[in-house]
Amino acid sequence: SQTIHQWPATLVQPVGSPLSLECTVEGTSNPNLYWYRQAAGRGLQLLFYSVGIGQISSEVPQNLSASRPQDRQFILSSKKLLLSDSGFYLCAWSVHTNQPQHFGDGTRLSIL
Amino acid sequence: DAKTTQPPSMDCAEGRAANLPCNHSTISGNEYVYWYRQIHSQGPQYIIHGLKNNETNEMASLIITEDRKSSTLILPHATLRDTAVYYCIVRVVQGGKLIFGQGTELSVKP
Repeated sequence: SQTIHQWPATLVQPVGSPLSLECTVEGTSNPNLYWYRQAAGRGLQLLFYSVGIGQISSEVPQNLSASRPQDRQFILSSKKLLLSDSGFYLCAWSVHTNQPQHFGDGTRLSIL
Repeated sequence: DAKTTQPPSMDCAEGRAANLPCNHSTISGNEYVYWYRQIHSQGPQYIIHGLKNNETNEMASLIITEDRKSSTLILPHATLRDTAVYYCIVRVVQGGKLIFGQGTELSVKP
């Protein structure tokens, strides 16, 4: 069966520091991969999605970037974190764009 | 993607059926209805989806009205572990993005 892993589960970072969040999927090949952010008390916002290695689409302009160095690895990065980057970051995968997305357990990021 | 409207909160007694409504009056013919739930501090969990026929799986049933302008998610025998925020989402057949609204906070009480 397919599984998705995100780490770390929680992270506290100072303003201006870099960020790297990793997501990996097991049990499937060539999945579609997604990064979402959920601000406190609000719905999820899609940040990036990828349909293949090296293919990244950005949904909203922001201080973050994404990369897909391997088929089942999706990385969310920032060179300098802002206070507004705080939130709950979720990675998801799907077999195809018209199939259900399945989410990881998320990373709760706090910026101080 | 079409907008959905859900009640902000609902209560349900443990062991009873939980019926969660969703209005999506502007849904298009090529849009599916998806349901997810999010238990506190966890990632959303896929529950079920459908286009126009009613659907059932091991978690829930989805009833879509004939005009497709509304739907109901049914948890047949709610347990305390079903306490969560339930999101109704409409999404184009070939779409990648899920647009989550505020959802319905379901509280299952003993």
